[in-house]
Amino acid sequence: AQRVTQPEKLLSVFKGAPVELKCNYSYSGSPELFWYVQYSRQRLQLLLRHISRESIKGFTADLNKGETSFHLKKPFAQEEDSAMYYCALPLLPTGANNLFFGTGTRLTVIP
Amino acid sequence: DTGVSQDPRHKITKRGQNVTFRCDPISEHNRLYWYRQTLGQGPEFLTYFQNEAQLEKSRLLSDRFSAERPKGSFSTLEIQRTEQGDSAMYLCASRPVQVLGGETQYFGPGTRLLVL
Repeated sequence: AQRVTQPEKLLSVFKGAPVELKCNYSYSGSPELFWYVQYSRQRLQLLLRHISRESIKGFTADLNKGETSFHLKKPFAQEEDSAMYYCALPLLPTGANNLFFGTGTRLTVIP
Repeated sequence: DTGVSQDPRHKITKRGQNVTFRCDPISEHNRLYWYRQTLGQGPEFLTYFQNEAQLEKSRLLSDRFSAERPKGSFSTLEIQRTEQGDSAMYLCASRPVQVLGGETQYFGPGTRLLVL
């Protein structure tokens, strides 16, 4: 069975400080991992996918298979980064590509 | 707005009543998903459709829940004999079928259900 663990329900950082939102997973096979974000009063939306290996809004996430982690990082947090962040992977069995979400981390960037 | 839409946005009902929610996906998306999100949790998968076919249902989807997508466009989720534990945000998402996988699901704003 798969599992996604986001150990921090709440995370506060000061503007300009680095931020890291943790995500650990367990999965049979090679997972595809995602970070979804929900800003205040907005719908849930994809932030980034590990297969894209891209930086979105200054955020990056590297899949570490040895540590089974997919932490989300940004070197300098901005106030507009305050949001709810969810780590997700495909729900087993694969093929349907339904998503299994972690419980989320609420990031607050303090001005 | 050409995104996923859901109706109603809020619903308050009494225990034992039936409720129905509607989801209109992005027009060219043939996959449609329903999720449920309770307070403090991430979204939990309920069911999904490819076109009009319901291909998978979660164990969370009890017999009181039924979903349809009769013409492969909009979908409805009905809850019969609602219980207080059904109170949650019900999210709909859609995506096109992609040959190379990649799970970019596009979410609607959700329907918040409160069962009194």
